[in-house]
Amino acid sequence: GAGVSQSPSNKVTEKGKDVELRCDPISGHTALYWYRQSLGQGLEFLIYFQGNSAPDKSGLPSDRFSAERTGGSVSTLTIQRTQQEDSAVYLCASSLRPANYGYTFGSGTRLTVV
Amino acid sequence: DQQVKQNSPSLSVQEGRISILNCDYTNSMFDYFLWYKKYPAEGPTFLISISSIKDKNEDGRFTVFLNKSAKHLSLHIVPSQPGDSAVYFCAASARETSGSRLTFGEGTQLTVNP
Repeated sequence: GAGVSQSPSNKVTEKGKDVELRCDPISGHTALYWYRQSLGQGLEFLIYFQGNSAPDKSGLPSDRFSAERTGGSVSTLTIQRTQQEDSAVYLCASSLRPANYGYTFGSGTRLTVV
Repeated sequence: DQQVKQNSPSLSVQEGRISILNCDYTNSMFDYFLWYKKYPAEGPTFLISISSIKDKNEDGRFTVFLNKSAKHLSLHIVPSQPGDSAVYFCAASARETSGSRLTFGEGTQLTVNP
């Protein structure tokens, strides 16, 4: 597609349930990133993929968080046993190469844990 | 620790005047800086960037200034237009040590009044 696509756009889940967030990057973009933005905060780095491997996953806040990327394209961020502090907007971005030039972000998934 | 800080949560200017958004950083390893603009319910979009070997980069109405000794950068928008009303994030990268990760500030809400 023309841009980075994220689904769902909104997700409300009960505390303790697992959720999966999906990101479809721009075709041909080898680098893919997950960030999250909590209320009143800046964007917080979670994980970076180059192709299907994750050279940097140091931003994942706990072992309840995991992510994978398949076929060098779609990525899924999974949060197990969700907690209220996981509530945030989860943003995916892609770039042609990991050169720190401008990313293209998706519109995000707003996750609310009740 | 907040390595990138935007101390003004909001800024209001009149159409046609200059908007100046400020950003301070603490990590001396940062060598590349970017500004993103974000409209509600959309992902951030890349606006302009500057490498640490420069002190100024200009693109149309947008100019970014970098003062390395003060660890300070600013974004100037002139003339400001109502369509510039958005949240502006500054971001920084230490390409030698942290690869493709960007560290973001908290954002500044700019409102341009007609």
